[in-house]
Amino acid sequence: DADVTQTPRNRITKTGKRIMLECSQTKGHDRMYWYRQDPGLGLRLIYYSFDVKDINKGEISDGYSVSRQAQAKFSLSLESAIPNQTALYFCATSDRGGIADTQYFGPGTRLTVL
Amino acid sequence: DQQVKQNSPSLSVQEGRISILNCDYTNSMFDYFLWYKKYPAEGPTFLISISSIKDKNEDGRFTVFLNKSAKHLSLHIVPSQPGDSAVYFCAASKGSGNTGKLIFGQGTTLQVKP
Repeated sequence: DADVTQTPRNRITKTGKRIMLECSQTKGHDRMYWYRQDPGLGLRLIYYSFDVKDINKGEISDGYSVSRQAQAKFSLSLESAIPNQTALYFCATSDRGGIADTQYFGPGTRLTVL
Repeated sequence: DQQVKQNSPSLSVQEGRISILNCDYTNSMFDYFLWYKKYPAEGPTFLISISSIKDKNEDGRFTVFLNKSAKHLSLHIVPSQPGDSAVYFCAASKGSGNTGKLIFGQGTTLQVKP
């Protein structure tokens, strides 16, 4: 079984809709991250969480919110989706006590906003 | 402002030859660098890393070289194999690689031809 899972894997939605992307991990890691990948821009950090009570904005947090429901679960929400949020979204985890900054990624969620 | 740049969007090499992927950075505070590999429909996976106290790190067919004065790193794959065909991302961080905040380059698509 995959250590980092993301649901859904694909989602098509309409402008203005609220949508939630979910991430779960069985690695026991403290830290979790949300990135988006756009062609020609690489991966950009949206939000990150170093433990359940620690949530931080990343490089491009506008239009997004997150919830760390438990050590193993980290959700990303788009309150009112817009077309330029169409992208590939990745969740990742890392271990504070492990190999420095090595992050483990989920398989991604392809989101299309019409 | 792109702090980590991979200026070659794509690279094509013959099986058995050397692949050299390049990455430049602008922030002199970066002190830990990583390479990730990504296959289609999968998340990125960690490949190799290097601390700024070193100028070379080797792991099997993969070697990363760091030139701090030029703010440049490169990934060498020798010999290249068709299974190496993927998108390669370089990433950088500050704080000796334990900040959890990675800055990614745009990615280079490597194609290894049989």
